[in-house]
Amino acid sequence: EDKVVQSPLSLVVHEGDTVTLNCSYEVTNFRSLLWYKQEKKAPTFLFMLTSSGIEKKSGRLSSILDKKELFSILNITATQTGDSAIYLCAPDAGGTSYGKLTFGQGTILTVHP
Amino acid sequence: ETGVTQSPTHLIKTRGQQVTLRCSSQSGHNTVSWYQQALGQGPQFIFQYYREEENGRGNFPPRFSGLQFPNYSSELNVNALELDDSALYLCASSRGTGAPVTNEKLFFGSGTQLSVL
Repeated sequence: EDKVVQSPLSLVVHEGDTVTLNCSYEVTNFRSLLWYKQEKKAPTFLFMLTSSGIEKKSGRLSSILDKKELFSILNITATQTGDSAIYLCAPDAGGTSYGKLTFGQGTILTVHP
Repeated sequence: ETGVTQSPTHLIKTRGQQVTLRCSSQSGHNTVSWYQQALGQGPQFIFQYYREEENGRGNFPPRFSGLQFPNYSSELNVNALELDDSALYLCASSRGTGAPVTNEKLFFGSGTQLSVL
């Protein structure tokens, strides 16, 4: 059975802090690792990581994958109150598993002014 | 906005009742996946519909059923509601062609919040 563990489960920081969110996984037929941000209700796509050691960046957010150790991290620098959300990771098996994601429990990030 | 719309946004039912949730997929998308997100948990895959046929199912009992219509909109039906069915129900649409396509192109709706009393 596929397994995805995120840590920490919740995090409270102040604006300007840097945070690191962790995602470890055990899945068969791993193809890529997806990160989503969930504010209010609809998860929105952040990153797709397919190769180990290659950092993906989008503004203050960055993420990297380690396929040998089966984990990924999501970093957010200079946090802002708008970063407050649930961050979800999901390994993707691709192919016939398209659209059928196994999500982690999520990390609830709260950024105070 | 993802172009995926769900209705209703909120719903309150009592134990034993039946409920139907609706999802209109983004234009051009022929695949709809449904997820259940309990409070404090990540979304859990319920099932997927591709071109009006069920195309995979998660670990949910048969009282969770679905439909997809010719216009690719979809319904999730839950019979004999239980208290543990209280959750946010999300649908996600995509343009699945049967060939491997990245989940990067998966678009979620804002969900239906179901409360079972």
